[in-house]
Amino acid sequence: GAGVSQSPRYKVAKRGQDVALRCDPISGHVSLFWYQQALGQGPEFLTYFQNEAQLDKSGLPSDRFFAERPEGSVSTLKIQRTQQEDSAVYLCASSLGGGGRYNEQFFGPGTRLTVL
Amino acid sequence: GIQVEQSPPDLILQEGANSTLRCNFSDSVNNLQWFHQNPWGQLINLFYIPSGTKQNGRLSATTVATERYSLLYISSSQTTDSGVYFCACVGGTYKYIFGTGTRLKVLA
Repeated sequence: GAGVSQSPRYKVAKRGQDVALRCDPISGHVSLFWYQQALGQGPEFLTYFQNEAQLDKSGLPSDRFFAERPEGSVSTLKIQRTQQEDSAVYLCASSLGGGGRYNEQFFGPGTRLTVL
Repeated sequence: GIQVEQSPPDLILQEGANSTLRCNFSDSVNNLQWFHQNPWGQLINLFYIPSGTKQNGRLSATTVATERYSLLYISSSQTTDSGVYFCACVGGTYKYIFGTGTRLKVLA
């Protein structure tokens, strides 16, 4: 079956522009996660959804970052007034949810954001 | 929160060699996964292994939860094994904490 997909794969933005990054999770996956990966580092947690509910946004770096999943499937990560330090790869992951083996996360290919 | 450390940070092998990658974690874990990040940036699931031993072809993994470490074994390495290997752990319910990775380069 289809894996997690993300679009666009690459995004170049001028400083101050708003951007929107899309994630299509695996069909039927309840849990959805966004991570940020800086060059040479491991991914870092940004936010977590269970269906349409955003249960944890503790990793969002500032109030310029906003995520939504209105119908419990597709999710969008929005960054307002982008700054150079926002340049990173943004990864989306999904899992069935429900504990144990069902919490195995599957990742999309990521969106590489470059802010000039 | 939980701390995850991986070693070695970098590894260079000749094709055909074997290797062991280590992941230490600071607290008990509910979930643990090993990933391979290929040169195109895709994170590929290798193992979901909060405890015990699993094998998949040339790869195998062991997690000793009571001693807070996990090992990933790569046998008969191939150039396509090159990339970064990450260990990720969940101490609570869902938030994965990633290690800094082991960068592997396999030479032909």
